[in-house]
Amino acid sequence: QSVLTQPPSASGTPGQRVTISCSGSSSNIVDNPVNWYRQVPGTAPKLLIYDTNQRPSGVPDRFSGSKSGTSASLTISGLQSEDEADFFCAVWDDSLNGPVFGGGTKLTVL
Amino acid sequence: QVQLVQSGAEVKKPGASVKVSCKASGYTFTDHFVHWVRQAPGQGLEWMGIINPSDGITSYPQNLQGRVRVTRETSTSTVYMELTSLRSEDTAVYYCARTILGIPAGYDLWGQGAMVTVSS
Repeated sequence: QSVLTQPPSASGTPGQRVTISCSGSSSNIVDNPVNWYRQVPGTAPKLLIYDTNQRPSGVPDRFSGSKSGTSASLTISGLQSEDEADFFCAVWDDSLNGPVFGGGTKLTVL
Repeated sequence: QVQLVQSGAEVKKPGASVKVSCKASGYTFTDHFVHWVRQAPGQGLEWMGIINPSDGITSYPQNLQGRVRVTRETSTSTVYMELTSLRSEDTAVYYCARTILGIPAGYDLWGQGAMVTVSS
């Protein structure tokens, strides 16, 4: 059971906007930067959003992140077929003194 | 080229130990913390430990204390993760990952992963 809660699946059609949620607690999301990763099965995760809303070089501005209270969100605008992958959130937990992860959300582009 | 290159797949029997390496190149080894994270088949990520390559100080999750050990060799810019008393539940892909300065769970560089299979 993951410390951070994500929906197991999400879907949308090309061009749509999709939002993936990540629910945590006062010991993690509230006071720490949230990070998002994209993972194609069989490969290593890749950083998509760091420090809650920052994009690494090379990540399109279609991807954005935000948080409010104990929850965070990843929004993908202008959905493309190549966006299909697993997405998960990660944040430091002050109580556990280590990073915690969401269980992952499988994104399907219909 | 900035990269983390891990050792290859391993097959171990229950009760044995495994040691996975992670060689860094293309950046100053001591500038970034390195974490180990594993992913069991079809599952999410689980944190296994962290090392500061600069001073070798480590930290581990409570549930793995006593079974996991992370070390580093600065002369070769390599980090190692050793897991002992292996059990079937330890079957997973093991990743090393570098953190962005000041962002504790922000991993901007990952190794390619090493599959560890525990089976009798």
